[in-house]
Amino acid sequence: SQTIHQWPATLVQPVGSPLSLECTVEGTSNPNLYWYRQAAGRGLQLLFYSVGIGQISSEVPQNLSASRPQDRQFILSSKKLLLSDSGFYLCAWSVRARGSGNTIYFGEGSWLTVV
Amino acid sequence: KQEVTQIPAALSVPEGENLVLNCSFTDSAIYNLQWFRQDPGKGLTSLLLIQSSQREQTSGRLNASLDKSSGRSTLYIAASQPGDSATYLCAVEPFGNEKLTFGTGTRLTIIP
Repeated sequence: SQTIHQWPATLVQPVGSPLSLECTVEGTSNPNLYWYRQAAGRGLQLLFYSVGIGQISSEVPQNLSASRPQDRQFILSSKKLLLSDSGFYLCAWSVRARGSGNTIYFGEGSWLTVV
Repeated sequence: KQEVTQIPAALSVPEGENLVLNCSFTDSAIYNLQWFRQDPGKGLTSLLLIQSSQREQTSGRLNASLDKSSGRSTLYIAASQPGDSATYLCAVEPFGNEKLTFGTGTRLTIIP
């Protein structure tokens, strides 16, 4: 069966420090991978989307970047965190072939507080 | 641009009651619509997925319906239980685009 792991679960970082959140998927190949952010009282905002190694689509201009060094690994990074980067970050994956009823699966999330 | 709305933002009902959660979307050109559950501080769990050609899906006490022409979906929960307390989110997958658009969710509280 497929599983998705995301870490760390909780992170408190000072403004201006770097960030690295990691996500890995097991039990599937060539998945679509996603990073979402969920700010307090708001919906999920798609940050990055990847259909393959090294292929990253950025959805919103921001202080963050993403990389996909391996097929089932997705990393969210920042060189210098801002207060506004605080939030709940969710990694997700789905089967590549869309439009035919393939659901999306989420990790447990990472709470980031920038102080 | 697709917009997904969920009203109300919060709902409290006594245990045992049946209830309906609403989701509306502005662009009917979708592949599917999904309902998710999110417990506090946790990730999302997929509950039901309705393909665009379907009208409804059922899983246990949950029933989701889809009316593409009116841009609406409902999630019906029968015989609610305290364990159903969570935030429920709907999301649509548009044609030609593999990215979901989410609603802001309805926070459901079942009162014992």
